[in-house]
Amino acid sequence: GESVGLHLPTLSVQEGDNSIINCAYSNSASDYFIWYKQESGKGPQFIIDIRSNMDKRQGQRVTVLLNKTVKHLSLQIAATQPGDSAVYFCAESPGYSSASKIIFGSGTRLSIRP
Amino acid sequence: NAGVTQTPKFQVLKTGQSMTLQCAQDMNHEYMSWYRQDPGMGLRLIHYSVGAGITDQGEVPNGYNVSRSTTEDFPLRLLSAAPSQTSVYFCASSYSGRGYLTDTQYFGPGTRLTVL
Repeated sequence: GESVGLHLPTLSVQEGDNSIINCAYSNSASDYFIWYKQESGKGPQFIIDIRSNMDKRQGQRVTVLLNKTVKHLSLQIAATQPGDSAVYFCAESPGYSSASKIIFGSGTRLSIRP
Repeated sequence: NAGVTQTPKFQVLKTGQSMTLQCAQDMNHEYMSWYRQDPGMGLRLIHYSVGAGITDQGEVPNGYNVSRSTTEDFPLRLLSAAPSQTSVYFCASSYSGRGYLTDTQYFGPGTRLTVL
C-alpha cells in the first residue's frame, strides 16, 4: 500500500552542524512532496516543498533533495540552531490533480546538542 | 489576518456525546482540511473541502462529518464520541490545495480532545 515513512525516529545534532533528515515513500505516482516542522504544542509549519520533476530545491538554510529512482526524500538544514529543535514530517501527495490528499509520515524528532 | 483559528483548544467528552470542532480562516482559501494526530504519529487526513459546498473523505473519515457552507468555515462534527477519537485535531487551509509550489498549507493551533 501507499506509505510515507522515515528512516530514523530521532536525530541528535551538534549545534552548528548540518542536519539531514531522511524519508522514504512507496508510491511512485506521488507528484508533490512537502516538509513540515512541528514545535511542541503547535500545528505543523510549512518548510519547503518540491515537485516530482525536480531533484533539488533550496530555501533559506534548508535544501530538499528528491531521488525518484529509490523513492527517497531528504531535508538538509545548514548550521543547525537551537530553534530548529522540533519534529519534522515529510508528506506526499499521490498526484498533482489530487494534491489535496496530502499523506504525512510519522515524523523525526530533531534535538540539538549545545 | 488571524490565519487559521480553531475552537475550542481543549475539550473533554464522555463516550456517546456529540460535539463540533470549529475552524475558520480569513485568507479566502478555497481548500480546507481536517487532520488528527495521535501521540508519536504523523497527521492523518479526516475530511477535506476544495470549496464551499464541496467536501470529500480522507484516510480516516469514519465517525466524523463535515460541511462547508461558506468559504471561511469548515466545522468538524463528532457524531457519537468514542475513546478512539482521543487525539489532537488540526485544521488547515491553502489557496487551492493543488500542490503548487507557492501554495502553502497553513495549520491552526489544534484542538486537544479527550473522550472518556
